[in-house]
Amino acid sequence: DTAVSQTPKYLVTQMGNDKSIKCEQNLGHDTMYWYKQDSKKFLKIMFSYNNKELIINETVPNRFSPKSPDKAHLNLHINSLELGDSAVYFCASSRRDRVAEAFFGQGTRLTVV
Amino acid sequence: AQRVTQPEKLLSVFKGAPVELKCNYSYSGSPELFWYVQYSRQRLQLLLRHISRESIKGFTADLNKGETSFHLKKPFAQEEDSAMYYCALRTAGNMLTFGGGTRLMVKP
Repeated sequence: DTAVSQTPKYLVTQMGNDKSIKCEQNLGHDTMYWYKQDSKKFLKIMFSYNNKELIINETVPNRFSPKSPDKAHLNLHINSLELGDSAVYFCASSRRDRVAEAFFGQGTRLTVV
Repeated sequence: AQRVTQPEKLLSVFKGAPVELKCNYSYSGSPELFWYVQYSRQRLQLLLRHISRESIKGFTADLNKGETSFHLKKPFAQEEDSAMYYCALRTAGNMLTFGGGTRLMVKP
């Protein structure tokens, strides 16, 4: 059983499109996250979300938005994709008080052409 | 503002040699630091945390508040240690700030 799964694994799309990446966790965690890893391997938190609170990294453009239909899912929506959005996006989950023990997904490689 | 710096993008050593992956941080609060590892084609996973002062897979890391450092060390590197290593700082809002990562290559 995959604890944190992301779909799709690879996504190639054109500039200006809107796309979503899905994330599901079956660990019973109450907090989920999205991270971006750029081409230089820098890993940055984008969002932290539990059922009460969304915390947004101030550097994230508002074209990015997380959507959580339920506690087990946190999807990432991206509007008007730009070339600079090309990166690997990682979803993760943890107990709220155990952020360091977050379980990461395998990542989604997004390529904007 | 909080920041984590890993000055080396790539560290290449021979098997059996000592390894030190550097990490420096900047944070106004009480720091809580971690090391994560990502093996080839695997998920990012927690390696160790400064609070527990543990040794995992032969790796240790000591928090030096005076030097604002949290370097990762292993006395004798193994080929299976080859991976991407990230230093991370827990910050307000229960979030992690990562360094830029260091790729460790252990040659036979």
